[in-house]
Amino acid sequence: QVQLVQSGAEVKKPGASVKVSCKASGYSFSSYGISWVRQAPGQGLEWMGWISADNDATNYAQKLQGRVSMTTDTSTSTAYMELRSLRSDDTAVYYCARGDYRDYWGQGTLVTVSS
Amino acid sequence: QSALTQPASVSGSPGQSITISCTGTSSDVGVYNYVSWYQQHPGKAPKFLIYDVTNRPSGVSNRFSGSKSGNTASLTISGLQAEDEADYYCSSYTSSSSWVFGGGTKLTVL
Repeated sequence: QVQLVQSGAEVKKPGASVKVSCKASGYSFSSYGISWVRQAPGQGLEWMGWISADNDATNYAQKLQGRVSMTTDTSTSTAYMELRSLRSDDTAVYYCARGDYRDYWGQGTLVTVSS
Repeated sequence: QSALTQPASVSGSPGQSITISCTGTSSDVGVYNYVSWYQQHPGKAPKFLIYDVTNRPSGVSNRFSGSKSGNTASLTISGLQAEDEADYYCSSYTSSSSWVFGGGTKLTVL
């Protein structure tokens, strides 16, 4: 069965960076892209971007351009999302999901940004 | 890209039908048939319900259906059940080659 398993919770100081991993199993990793979505406490879902697991093409949300990077490692079927220059309003649960349609989701990774 | 507009809350009694609207613009919902819907229970990851406006993935109950008219997409849940109480989000592809979500709708089953 398709599974996306994410790395554990992180606590970071403002200005630091965080890198969240998302390990896929149960399907051909290169056949689908990986989307990243975040959800601030008590708020709605926010699309962050997408990466092709086939050719590493990326498409980032305009508001995150310059601060976010998405990569994949096909040898381990793992996708990564790095967010730099963290601010308090980056505190959120970060989700990875399969493809543009986001048909399967990871369990979420809580990133807390606090001094 | 502004979020799609959803009602903050809707409610219904068991067995009834409810509809959640999702209003966008001529740059997203109005021009693309790439509207999807997700269900999210508290503390859980979202679940994929509907794609391409009307299509249900395998395993999703046929009580869930989607439609679109102009700039507004809709999710209808028929035969409401207690387990349907959750937050619901729409999403659309946009002319900026990005995706946008709605603000979410809290469904209460009375």
